[in-house]
Amino acid sequence: DTAVSQTPKYLVTQMGNDKSIKCEQNLGHDTMYWYKQDSKKFLKIMFSYNNKELIINETVPNRFSPKSPDKAHLNLHINSLELGDSAVYFCASSRDRLYNEQFFGPGTRLTVL
Amino acid sequence: AQKVTQAQTEISVVEKEDVTLDCVYETRDTTYYLFWYKQPPSGELVFLIRRNSFDEQNEISGRYSWNFQKSTSSFNFTITASQVVDSAVYFCALKAGANSKLTFGKGITLSVRP
Repeated sequence: DTAVSQTPKYLVTQMGNDKSIKCEQNLGHDTMYWYKQDSKKFLKIMFSYNNKELIINETVPNRFSPKSPDKAHLNLHINSLELGDSAVYFCASSRDRLYNEQFFGPGTRLTVL
Repeated sequence: AQKVTQAQTEISVVEKEDVTLDCVYETRDTTYYLFWYKQPPSGELVFLIRRNSFDEQNEISGRYSWNFQKSTSSFNFTITASQVVDSAVYFCALKAGANSKLTFGKGITLSVRP
C-alpha cells in the first residue's frame, strides 16, 4: 500500500557509470518531483513533472535526465556519475502543481566510489 | 524570490520539556502556503501540516501546535511534552506562487533525551 515508492533504496557504484532510479506513486497525483538531499540534509528540488510534462528544471547538470512514461512514474537517469552526485534522492508527488502538500518516497541513497 | 530561514540548527531537550522550532519566511506573493515536514532517523520525509497565507488561525494536533504570524513572517512549531520519538530533523517549507517550487529551510535537528 506504499503511496510513493522508489527503487533501489541503496545504490553503490563506481565513478563514470550510468544508473537509474525508479519512482512510482499510486495516489493518483498529477505532479511528481525529484529532490536531492546532500550530506548536510539540505533539500533541493531538481525536476518536476505535471501530467508527464516537465514544469520545473532547476540548475542541474545535463547528466541528469528525468523521464515520465506516465503520470504515475518518474524515473531519474544519471550518466557518468561523479563523486559529488553522492546524496539521497527523494521522489515526491502532489495532487497538482499548485499548493497541495507533497508526499515523499523513502529515498535512494546513492554512493559513488 | 522566496526564502525560508530556520536559524536554530540543533536543539537538545530532555523528555517532557516543551520545545519550539522557529521558521521565518520571505516572499512578495500574497498567496502562499507554508509546510512542516519531519525526517526521523530512518530517513523518510513525513508531512506534518500545510497552512495558507489567508488563514492565521493557530493549529493544534495532539502534542503539536503551530503558530502562524504574518506580521513577523513566522510559522513556528511547538512540541509539548516532548518524547524520544520526536527526535528528528524538522523542515519548514514555503510555496509562493502557483507555479513555483517548494523551498525548504535548512532543517532543525531535534534531539530528545530520556
